[in-house]
Amino acid sequence: NAGVTQTPKFRVLKTGQSMTLLCAQDMNHEYMYWYRQDPGMGLRLIHYSVGEGTTAKGEVPDGYNVSRLKKQNFLLGLESAAPSQTSVYFCASSPSRGGELFFGEGSRLTVL
Amino acid sequence: GENVEQHPSTLSVQEGDSAVIKCTYSDSASNYFPWYKQELGKRPQLIIDIRSNVGEKKDQRIAVTLNKTAKHFSLHITETQPEDSAVYFCAATGGQNFVFGPGTRLSVLP
Repeated sequence: NAGVTQTPKFRVLKTGQSMTLLCAQDMNHEYMYWYRQDPGMGLRLIHYSVGEGTTAKGEVPDGYNVSRLKKQNFLLGLESAAPSQTSVYFCASSPSRGGELFFGEGSRLTVL
Repeated sequence: GENVEQHPSTLSVQEGDSAVIKCTYSDSASNYFPWYKQELGKRPQLIIDIRSNVGEKKDQRIAVTLNKTAKHFSLHITETQPEDSAVYFCAATGGQNFVFGPGTRLSVLP
């Protein structure tokens, strides 16, 4: 039981490049989330999903897209990376509405 | 939408002393208030949580109190130990989304 797994864990991009972060959970959780963590700003919600095939915008969705084609996977895409997207990205899952969040190990992204 | 404030941003205590971190929230519909601990380079992990139908909850050296009228909740750590040094985040939710506070960096000095 691996819990929540994120890949890749580190990535360096040049401005304008695209990439996809993959989040996989093996706990059969319905809810999945993508957060970004910046110094002094806590965790800010980018997008979330309440079940397979659903996605919704969070607090800071601009510049990101997501997809949840399979219940266990939640993908975060950056179509044209910008230096402002340099951050640590955390995926989380939850079994229910308002239930405990289980976080992945994080993915550190640097955009030059 | 919900807004969560957290104070202090940094806190240093002597080993064995108590530490208190306070959070306020804005949305009266919020009904679940978890606290997460994040050690350096690690993922956030839940340490304690409280729901709106309870005023206080305790788990060994950690306790959380909730004042719904004033819209604030607090984390209390007693008999602090060096391994309590970390960043602590409070959060609030009324359903699907969690809104996090900016975090408190706790340092426990030997």
